[in-house]
Amino acid sequence: DAGVIQSPRHEVTEMGQEVTLRCKPISGHDYLFWYRQTMMRGLELLIYFNNNVPIDDSGMPEDRFSAKMPNASFSTLKIQPSEPRDSAVYFCASSFGQYTYEQYFGPGTRLTVT
Amino acid sequence: KQEVTQIPAALSVPEGENLVLNCSFTDSAIYNLQWFRQDPGKGLTSLLLIQSSQREQTSGRLNASLDKSSGRSTLYIAASQPGDSATYLCAVLFGANSKLTFGKGITLSVRP
Repeated sequence: DAGVIQSPRHEVTEMGQEVTLRCKPISGHDYLFWYRQTMMRGLELLIYFNNNVPIDDSGMPEDRFSAKMPNASFSTLKIQPSEPRDSAVYFCASSFGQYTYEQYFGPGTRLTVT
Repeated sequence: KQEVTQIPAALSVPEGENLVLNCSFTDSAIYNLQWFRQDPGKGLTSLLLIQSSQREQTSGRLNASLDKSSGRSTLYIAASQPGDSATYLCAVLFGANSKLTFGKGITLSVRP
């Protein structure tokens, strides 16, 4: 398996624009997690899905953030409108089982909002 | 508030040295604890997972211990190599249905 795939790897956009980040989890994994990493706050869980259903989105910072998982092999994280404080590295991770087993992380998307 | 702390934030050692990375957490009733490695510009790689019923886990030159009563875990790296240079993060699951809480990591530099 190619591991967790994220695209794009880098995104630079202007404030107010819509940003869509994409993730393909490892085949067979039933949990998918979206994280955000910044120097100030470290790594934070935004939302996670089980069998394509959102389970906990309490980490989503504002209504400007939304996430979907239309099928077992694809998820998106959308920010609309984007703001400079959204600049961070966004990671997607997947696992078989919630936390009993290891989480496998993608390479991340580095988002810069100017 | 449940928190995970890793001190110091950075560490530099000469090659060959045995070293210990520390992780402390605020609640002793944890479900499990994981150590991750992160290379610059990359995602996280899980190194070791310790369930609450376990005291330690080993993988190659790495050994992680867990002491719930004192709220501490240590990652021991034997005979460090320059290739071990990376950021090491500790993450705690405080309950079976809770979220992983990450420390901010320790950036390790192993000098040749």
